Amino acid sequence: GQQLNQSPQSMFIQEGEDVSMNCTSSSIFNTWLWYKQDPGEGPVLLIALYKAGELTSNGRLTAQFGITRKDSFLNISASIPSDVGIYFCAGPYNQGGKLIFGQGTELSVKP
Amino acid sequence: EPEVTQTPSHQVTQMGQEVILRCVPISNHLYFYWYRQILGQKVEFLVSFYNNEISEKSEIFDDQFSVERPDGSNFTLKIRSTKLEDSAMYFCASSYTDNEQFFGPGTRLTVL
Repeated sequence: GQQLNQSPQSMFIQEGEDVSMNCTSSSIFNTWLWYKQDPGEGPVLLIALYKAGELTSNGRLTAQFGITRKDSFLNISASIPSDVGIYFCAGPYNQGGKLIFGQGTELSVKP
Repeated sequence: EPEVTQTPSHQVTQMGQEVILRCVPISNHLYFYWYRQILGQKVEFLVSFYNNEISEKSEIFDDQFSVERPDGSNFTLKIRSTKLEDSAMYFCASSYTDNEQFFGPGTRLTVL
């Protein structure tokens, strides 16, 4: 079935550094969603991507929908301590409403 | 900003008991979902609901699970006879277009 693979699994960075994480799939997705989850909280939607090649920003966050429609990346510029959390990519299974989630990238930011 | 709300935030129950998890989706949304997340794992789809009926369900969503939209605002997940392995965070989500899904804060279910 469709699976999303995220890398890296975890990152430890210094405050102020830029971060890049990505998500790949063996099959095509028509939508890519990036969520952030804080401990004990629900996922919060950060960015939604709908077209191959699309590059979308939300403040210090930038995400791109890969040309092959099988990957997406998320960049965070000038990281701050509140960026700490787990970042999940997600996409609709078989173009339906059911979302498939990646296993997450855990970000730690050292002040 | 409108948000999805869930109650209770934490539910502790004995194995074999029934639990009902409650959600109030964003008011103009049409699509509703339940997901669960076992501690330390990724979020897993349980069920989607549209136009007063289930549109899709996963293998996890067996006969012990049911969903209901009893009125115009609430969306509930019932687990008829809880098992130890049902312990997880349960997230409700809603969407206007069946694309961008907005998640609630979750209910932590602990089955003893």
